[in-house]
Amino acid sequence: EAGVAQSPRYKIIEKRQSVAFWCNPISGHATLYWYQQILGQGPKLLIQFQNNGVVDDSQLPKDRFSAERLKGVDSTLKIQPAKLEDSAVYLCASRGTRAGNYGYTFGSGTRLTVV
Amino acid sequence: DAKTTQPNSMESNEEEPVHLPCNHSTISGTDYIHWYRQLPSQGPEYVIHGLTSNVNNRMASLAIAEDRKSSTLILHRATLRDAAVYYCILRGLISNFGNEKLTFGTGTRLTIIP
Repeated sequence: EAGVAQSPRYKIIEKRQSVAFWCNPISGHATLYWYQQILGQGPKLLIQFQNNGVVDDSQLPKDRFSAERLKGVDSTLKIQPAKLEDSAVYLCASRGTRAGNYGYTFGSGTRLTVV
Repeated sequence: DAKTTQPNSMESNEEEPVHLPCNHSTISGTDYIHWYRQLPSQGPEYVIHGLTSNVNNRMASLAIAEDRKSSTLILHRATLRDAAVYYCILRGLISNFGNEKLTFGTGTRLTIIP
């Protein structure tokens, strides 16, 4: 099966600019996650979707970050305006919901540099 | 969530076995022990998981202590491609709905010496 697709692969922006990341999960995976990984740290969950509904966004800085998953398939994560501390890799993951297929699959991520 | 503790870094020679430890003293009876690894410039990938018994797959083996308070990921013959950060993660009963998620620590950075 195809993996989790993310784009762009790299992005460099100036602080206070806006940026958006796109994720296409594995076909049929109902659960989608966005993680933020700062250099030297493990990934930290930002938001979790079940189909097109938000399950957990407790760690999402809602004053600047937003995410949506229209039609329960693709998802976008937006930062507006960006700060220097947002420099990180943004990982998208999806999880199966069928018996025997509950594993997580991660994309390769988008590396964001805010200057 | 129950917490895991891993060494920050380890080194191993190429073609030798590697034993990566993980402590999880507060594990509950229904927590599964999962291992993921993250190769450079990639997202984490699943390695292996287990509940009580030792497990083997094509990538690695998982040895679980009898009291389940610790486990060891074993790479039988490390290659340069095994250089990665290895995460030990506890997952509750796997279900097809709900707010189940992976919670990562800082993991163990494994360096393979040629």
